[in-house]
Amino acid sequence: EPEVTQTPSHQVTQMGQEVILRCVPISNHLYFYWYRQILGQKVEFLVSFYNNEISEKSEIFDDQFSVERPDGSNFTLKIRSTKLEDSAMYFCASKPDTSSGANVLTFGAGSRLTVL
Amino acid sequence: ILNVEQSPQSLHVQEGDSTNFTCSFPSSNFYALHWYRWETAKSPEALFVMTLNGDEKKKGRISATLNTKEGYSYLYIKGSQPEDSATYLCARLHGSSNTGKLIFGQGTTLQVKP
Repeated sequence: EPEVTQTPSHQVTQMGQEVILRCVPISNHLYFYWYRQILGQKVEFLVSFYNNEISEKSEIFDDQFSVERPDGSNFTLKIRSTKLEDSAMYFCASKPDTSSGANVLTFGAGSRLTVL
Repeated sequence: ILNVEQSPQSLHVQEGDSTNFTCSFPSSNFYALHWYRWETAKSPEALFVMTLNGDEKKKGRISATLNTKEGYSYLYIKGSQPEDSATYLCARLHGSSNTGKLIFGQGTTLQVKP
């Protein structure tokens, strides 16, 4: 069964460092997302991406964050200068472009980011 | 602000027990509700997508119902097994269907003891 893969599974970084989290969505999917879960809190939406541009972003997704689909297969989340509060599990998700809006997202297993 | 709440936060049951938990959400401008099952170190796995008031969906021993007028959904597990141990997340779709932005509840963590 097709799956969304994420790397790395765990990254430890120092505050102020840049981090890139990578995702390979399912190949025929057209909508891409990043969500995150800070320990003990709800899973929260960060950004959605369609047709090579951001379609929606949350208040969390400030200038320190960016997303890119550089080569038609990878979908990356970059945090330019990490803060302690960026420590979280980051989930990538994708979905196909279908006429039904109820279609589900397929999630990756997550990348745990620890900022020291 | 769209707020989705789940209860209970955690649940411990014996193998063979049936159990259920609740997802509450604002009923206005409802489009769809998703249920996901999330085992530690794995991807959240979609269980159900529900759109219509009165919807009832079933997958093996797991079923879910939806009441969009009062803003709640129940997830039922019949005859719980240890492999059902996981966190169950509900999420309401917010905005247009093509955006697919989900607003999640905090999850219910189920532990089934053999």
